Amino acid sequence: EAGVAQSPRYKIIEKRQSVAFWCNPISGHATLYWYQQILGQGPKLLIQFQNNGVVDDSQLPKDRFSAERLKGVDSTLKIQPAKLEDSAVYLCASSLEPSPTRETQYFGPGTRLLVL
Amino acid sequence: EDKVVQSPLSLVVHEGDTVTLNCSYEVTNFRSLLWYKQEKKAPTFLFMLTSSGIEKKSGRLSSILDKKELFSILNITATQTGDSAVYLCAVAIYGGSQGNLIFGKGTKLSVKP
Repeated sequence: EAGVAQSPRYKIIEKRQSVAFWCNPISGHATLYWYQQILGQGPKLLIQFQNNGVVDDSQLPKDRFSAERLKGVDSTLKIQPAKLEDSAVYLCASSLEPSPTRETQYFGPGTRLLVL
Repeated sequence: EDKVVQSPLSLVVHEGDTVTLNCSYEVTNFRSLLWYKQEKKAPTFLFMLTSSGIEKKSGRLSSILDKKELFSILNITATQTGDSAVYLCAVAIYGGSQGNLIFGKGTKLSVKP
């Protein structure tokens, strides 16, 4: 079974530039998550989609971050404009659905972002 | 505020040693506790625990949950260099403002030959 795919794997940009990340979840997984993992910390949820609808974006800095999941499959996360503190690994995860027996989240390899 | 605390933050052992990693939590609306292994890439799923006192086992790894004392442990026996990684503990909750999966900071395990 193919896992969660993400691209690019690495990105270096200057502050105030824009960047976009892409995620393709495991086939058939209705729920998709974007996490931000700063060095030395655990992942922090940015946004959760159920199919193509947003379930939770309470921790997404909406002045600069945006995300969409068109057609309920692939998703993109955008940062515009980037700040130095956005340097982190951005992890995408998916699960069958957010129910107790089908909620195990499977993670992609992440995109490592460095903002200079 | 919901939180998950892991200890120790880092650990260095030699091959063949047995290690115990700790995870304590303070959350409302607990649903389940998950362990992940993170090397230089994606966190990979190890265990999901929902019931107290029932040990889950996979090879040399095992884990157990205590819902009364609000903690879980992850045991690794006969450690190998390939076990070197960050082990993340996460708690799934119902309806939290931080999302439904709250992670600890992880325990960095280094296994020396």
